[in-house]
Amino acid sequence: EVQLVESGGGLIQPGGSLRLSCAASGFTVSSSYMSWVRQAPGKGLEWVSVIYTDGSVNSADSVKGRFIISRDNSKNTVYLQMNSLRAEDTAVYYCATARVAAGDVWGKGTTVTVFS
Amino acid sequence: IVMTQTPLSLSVTPGQPASISCRSNQSLLHSDGRTYLYWYLQKSGQSPQLLIYEVSNRFSGVPERFSGSGSGTDFTLKISRVEAEDVGVYYCMQSIHLWTFGQGTKVEIK
Repeated sequence: EVQLVESGGGLIQPGGSLRLSCAASGFTVSSSYMSWVRQAPGKGLEWVSVIYTDGSVNSADSVKGRFIISRDNSKNTVYLQMNSLRAEDTAVYYCATARVAAGDVWGKGTTVTVFS
Repeated sequence: IVMTQTPLSLSVTPGQPASISCRSNQSLLHSDGRTYLYWYLQKSGQSPQLLIYEVSNRFSGVPERFSGSGSGTDFTLKISRVEAEDVGVYYCMQSIHLWTFGQGTKVEIK
């Protein structure tokens, strides 16, 4: 069964750092492009970052220079390193992939709360 | 790319049809001939689930009452006969350049 499981969320003060993980099963993360999408409380979906099969990456302007996406093929896991966190980064963070079509598999999400 | 959905909310009687519009400010037709427009449903407390990919292709397990149409910059999701389980927020998304989502359309049952 194809599955994505996110972890690493929590409570963090502004300016702090967190690393989110997205563990995949049923497929290899290097064979599909992987994205992080977030959803602030009561708001819509916002794409955050992507890592392609060739290892190239891209991020939304709102997180560029602060968030870094990476993957570990040996662990079949994708990461989102989040630095210089702000209150507006508070959200549920989902990872999603594109095996057949964009966003065909999503994880259940992990919650990040930035509070002072 | 900006995605604009209308309406933002919809109240539907069970068994009646429903329609959601999505417009992009740039064409989603790629030079490879494919149009990168998707529809998702997010039920309360759940992750988004893919309904339609590349405008009109139903994803695995999606009921036939869901259909997608459109081209270029104008797209529509139709539910032929709404059922109670269709309640949630529907999002369109483009992936021709990164990913951008519409604001979402909340569908509820009358």
